[in-house]
Amino acid sequence: GAGVSQSPRYKVAKRGQDVALRCDPISGHVSLFWYQQALGQGPEFLTYFQNEAQLDKSGLPSDRFFAERPEGSVSTLKIQRTQQEDSAVYLCASSTGTSFYNEQFFGPGTRLTVL
Amino acid sequence: EDQVTQSPEALRLQEGESSSLNCSYTVSGLRGLFWYRQDPGKGPEFLFTLYSAGEEKEKERLKATLTKKESFLHITAPKPEDSATYLCAVQEGGGYNKLIFGAGTRLAVHP
Repeated sequence: GAGVSQSPRYKVAKRGQDVALRCDPISGHVSLFWYQQALGQGPEFLTYFQNEAQLDKSGLPSDRFFAERPEGSVSTLKIQRTQQEDSAVYLCASSTGTSFYNEQFFGPGTRLTVL
Repeated sequence: EDQVTQSPEALRLQEGESSSLNCSYTVSGLRGLFWYRQDPGKGPEFLFTLYSAGEEKEKERLKATLTKKESFLHITAPKPEDSATYLCAVQEGGGYNKLIFGAGTRLAVHP
């Protein structure tokens, strides 16, 4: 594929609704990261997958946030019972391997607005 | 706690007016320092990785340098198309290669 793709690009949810955000990484990329970017801020790490294994979820802000990558390719970030403070851009990034030399390629993000 | 601070928050330049952006960091065991460019409504786009103090990298009008405490992104004779937010991030030793980002510098280059 051409790059990392994310869907939907924009999502509006009412407070209390559940949402699911999808990431399609570059084909063959082993590592997948989710970041949250608030307005005017830099991205903040949420969670990391190596193939289908979720090896680091230290950045998930609460137990309402859940991520999965069941077949080691597509990943879904799910937010349950959304709150206004969840409004942000959610970025997905992938890289070829697991070395720190591997560049992370970012998708365009999903802008979530919780009313 | 690992921290990345970028300055200035915003910078306005005239076309052709060279300047530098600063990224200062505190991290236990730096693996790499990364510069990204982000345009409105898009994800960050990779520019450079620097691994050790004294290292420099160049790409067109941009040059990145690294010391033990900070990095600079030098922009020589900028053009309006260089307008964007420039993000600095560090990767610490240990862990799984997560990036710790600064808040970014918003650069506007006017003709």
